[in-house]
Amino acid sequence: SSELTQDPAVSVALGQTVRITCQGDSLRSYYASWYQQKPGQAPVLVIYGKNNRPSGIPDRFSGSSSGNTASLTITGAQAEDEADYYCNSRDSSGNHLGVVFGGGTKLTVL
Amino acid sequence: EVQLVESGGVVVQPGGSLRLSCAASGFTFDDYAMHWVRQAPGKGLEWVSLISWDGGSTYYADSVKGRFTISRDNSKNSLYLQMNSLRAEDTALYYCAKERSEALAFDIWGQGTMVTVSS
Repeated sequence: SSELTQDPAVSVALGQTVRITCQGDSLRSYYASWYQQKPGQAPVLVIYGKNNRPSGIPDRFSGSSSGNTASLTITGAQAEDEADYYCNSRDSSGNHLGVVFGGGTKLTVL
Repeated sequence: EVQLVESGGVVVQPGGSLRLSCAASGFTFDDYAMHWVRQAPGKGLEWVSLISWDGGSTYYADSVKGRFTISRDNSKNSLYLQMNSLRAEDTALYYCAKERSEALAFDIWGQGTMVTVSS
């Protein structure tokens, strides 16, 4: 199956901009979606498709993609954005309707 | 209120079986594909299985293929995961999740049900 690679940990100063990346061959064919997970809680969808935010997600969250890399950008990070972030996409390896998740990135807001 | 509620998680011995359930409410259940996703303690998210809106198509992660079976009963707004030949590495919090119709994105998640495989 395909793999999606994320940096294990990223930090950002309060109010600054941070980019979290996700790399994988499947991203050449499919958009990534992004999820935020806080301790003890279920994941929450924050970005999907080309750059779409579900209702209730602040507009400081945005998504982009180039080649085999998808990115989640938080512009003006807030303390409440400290969480684990996961990307996912379709699995392009042959199991065409399978799904693959990245390993997750722990975001620390300093 | 749009909601998914999982149940059925327990402590089970290696080699045992278990069926998880997920009750959906607040949306038209049979319009959407549904998934199971798991998370081992302290680890990341792992996709487990997908079922199409009508149950006609199912897909599985290699790690569970041949051991787990996903199914749904649209008349009961319910999703299921039959888990056989359980292993220690199946220990995890199991989430059900709804797929958006226009993108591979899980827009609704349950709170999860914990499965522990241990002797």
